[in-house]
Amino acid sequence: SQKIEQNSEALNIQEGKTATLTCNYTNYSPAYLQWYRQDPGRGPVFLLLIRENEKEKRKERLKVTFDTTLKQSLFHITASQPADSATYLCALVLKAAGNKLTFGGGTRVLVKP
Amino acid sequence: EPEVTQTPSHQVTQMGQEVILRCVPISNHLYFYWYRQILGQKVEFLVSFYNNEISEKSEIFDDQFSVERPDGSNFTLKIRSTKLEDSAMYFCASSRAPDYEQYFGPGTRLTVT
Repeated sequence: SQKIEQNSEALNIQEGKTATLTCNYTNYSPAYLQWYRQDPGRGPVFLLLIRENEKEKRKERLKVTFDTTLKQSLFHITASQPADSATYLCALVLKAAGNKLTFGGGTRVLVKP
Repeated sequence: EPEVTQTPSHQVTQMGQEVILRCVPISNHLYFYWYRQILGQKVEFLVSFYNNEISEKSEIFDDQFSVERPDGSNFTLKIRSTKLEDSAMYFCASSRAPDYEQYFGPGTRLTVT
């Protein structure tokens, strides 16, 4: 069966450290993958998009990698701040499946001062 | 910075009633989507819309659901006869092209009693 798995356990991290989140998928062939931030009761906020032919993307303190062999994307927040505390969602867009996003369950990040 | 807006922020309705959720996508975007998120669960795709037609819909999007772009700026989701299980956050999203990032609105919390 098809699965998108994100670590359901919260990630507690000290301010200033790097948070690394994983998104693993099985039985999918994604054309690209997007990462979103979601705060409680709010809509997902777009962060980064990475395509299947790209290995790495960066935006300010954020970095995402995409390994289609391992079927995994890693999302890094460097020099983390308490304001980075939120749930982070990965979402896949499959080849030949329109533009719909298929979401993982998200990983909650808590950055402690 | 342009944003997707949604109204109302919270809608309470009785089972069997019709509701219309409204969205104003980002002005130069051409692709529109509805997603929903039941409390504590993943964000789920409902429907995508382009050029005044439904491009794709999920199994959730049955005959009780419909979408419309009544004018050049609004995009609506109608649920004809609400059920208790329709209670969720409903998110509208838009993108400028089919393989570009999707921007989400703040959501409408629908409570069916």
